[in-house]
Amino acid sequence: SYELTQPPSVSVSPGQTASISCSGDKLGNTFAYWYQLKPGQSPVLVIYQDTKRPSGIPERFSGSTSGNTATLTISGTQAIDEADYSCQAWDSSTAVFGGGTKLTVL
Amino acid sequence: QVQLQESGPGLVKPSQTLSLTCTVSGASIDSYSYYWNWIRQPAGKGLEWIGRFYGSGSTNYNPSLKSRVTISLDTSKKQLSLKLSSVTAADTAVYYCAREAVAGKTGGNYFDYWGQGTLVTVSS
Repeated sequence: SYELTQPPSVSVSPGQTASISCSGDKLGNTFAYWYQLKPGQSPVLVIYQDTKRPSGIPERFSGSTSGNTATLTISGTQAIDEADYSCQAWDSSTAVFGGGTKLTVL
Repeated sequence: QVQLQESGPGLVKPSQTLSLTCTVSGASIDSYSYYWNWIRQPAGKGLEWIGRFYGSGSTNYNPSLKSRVTISLDTSKKQLSLKLSSVTAADTAVYYCAREAVAGKTGGNYFDYWGQGTLVTVSS
């Protein structure tokens, strides 16, 4: 089955740039999506179709791809960005998620 | 605004059937522009897509769960339903419903609205 691989954790200092990677064999040929998850809250779409930012998502969130790796970048990271982040892609008609990355803002 | 709210028993016994409902407000549930999904997250693990309902009765399911899952849609009640049979402790998770926006024939669909999730524990 298709898998997406994310680092379990990433740490960043406030105001610095955080980068979270997501690798998968088909990412070069299919879009990547990123979701922010906080306990007790609804997950939030922060990046769709590799690089697009939904309305209401701060400009400090951006997405990029290179080869089979998608990257979520948070510039000027704030304490409120501390959360789990999950990447997602489509394998035909099946949604596949990465294992999630816990972002800690120290 | 679009809101999704999951509901159902928080405790299910092993071998029984887990049944959840997702009530949708602020959006048309029978629009061909959207599909309706169930996604779950076991504690300490990543998200797992369960399946979706779309159109006038089409479904797609995660191959790993397909034999046990039924997803249906009641447009009159604006409710999405999930039934997962023969549950075990491995089915203990937070269950989410999510709206999938259809991006076009070339693909690119994404989950734009989610419920807050409901915890279901499988235990005797």
